[in-house]
Amino acid sequence: QQQVKQSPQSLIVQKGGISIINCAYENTAFDYFPWYQQFPGKGPALLIAIRPDVSEKKEGRFTISFNKSAKQFSLHIMDSQPGDSATYFCAAIGGADGLTFGKGTHLIIQP
Amino acid sequence: DAGITQSPRHKVTETGTPVTLRCHQTENHRYMYWYRQDPGHGLRLIHYSYGVKDTDKGEVSDGYSVSRSKTEDFLLTLESATSSQTSVYFCAISEAGSGGYTFGSGTRLTVV
Repeated sequence: QQQVKQSPQSLIVQKGGISIINCAYENTAFDYFPWYQQFPGKGPALLIAIRPDVSEKKEGRFTISFNKSAKQFSLHIMDSQPGDSATYFCAAIGGADGLTFGKGTHLIIQP
Repeated sequence: DAGITQSPRHKVTETGTPVTLRCHQTENHRYMYWYRQDPGHGLRLIHYSYGVKDTDKGEVSDGYSVSRSKTEDFLLTLESATSSQTSVYFCAISEAGSGGYTFGSGTRLTVV
C-alpha cells in the first residue's frame, strides 16, 4: 500500500512560471512532511519541510501548502528557473520507522 | 555530502555473490538508514538503525542484512546478489529519527 501518493510524474514549466507538485497521504500518524530535491548523480537534499500545525511555510521561492483535513500537501516553486530542473520527492514520517517517500516528480524548466 | 560517505560509489558484481556496501558518518547521529532508488518506485526503505547493534527492517528488507557495530558505520549486505537488486543505494542519517535526513551520494550497484 502506497502511503504517500505524488503527482504528476513529470512536469514541464516555462522559465518564470509556477511549478506545482502535489502529494496525498493516508497515515494520520505522520507528523513531519519534507520535500527533497535531487539532481542527477546526487543524493536527495532536504529542500523545505512542514509540520501539520501550520497550513503554509515559505522559504524564498519555495512554498509548502498543507491541508490536514484533506491529508494533502503541495510544493509551489515561484518564478521557476532552469536551475530548479531536478527530481522532487515529497515524504512523510511519524515515529522512528523512516521516511516514506512519494515516487517523485521529474521537473523540467524550459528557458 | 558533508558528514556522510558511501563506498564504493559504483560496483558491478555477479549473481550469487555476496556484496557489502558501507556508510560512514562523522556527525555522531543516532539514526542511520539504507534506501534503494529505482525508476517508478522512488526511494524505499530497506533497513534502519536506531543505535549500535539496534536495527530493524524496512519496506523491502528481503535479501538484505545490516550491521552496526559502531555509531559511525552502517553496513548493508546482500548475501547472494540477484539481478533484482540492481539499483542505486542511498544511506541517510538523522539526529532524532524524525525530521530531516541527510543523504549520502549513493552507490550504484549492478548485478549481472
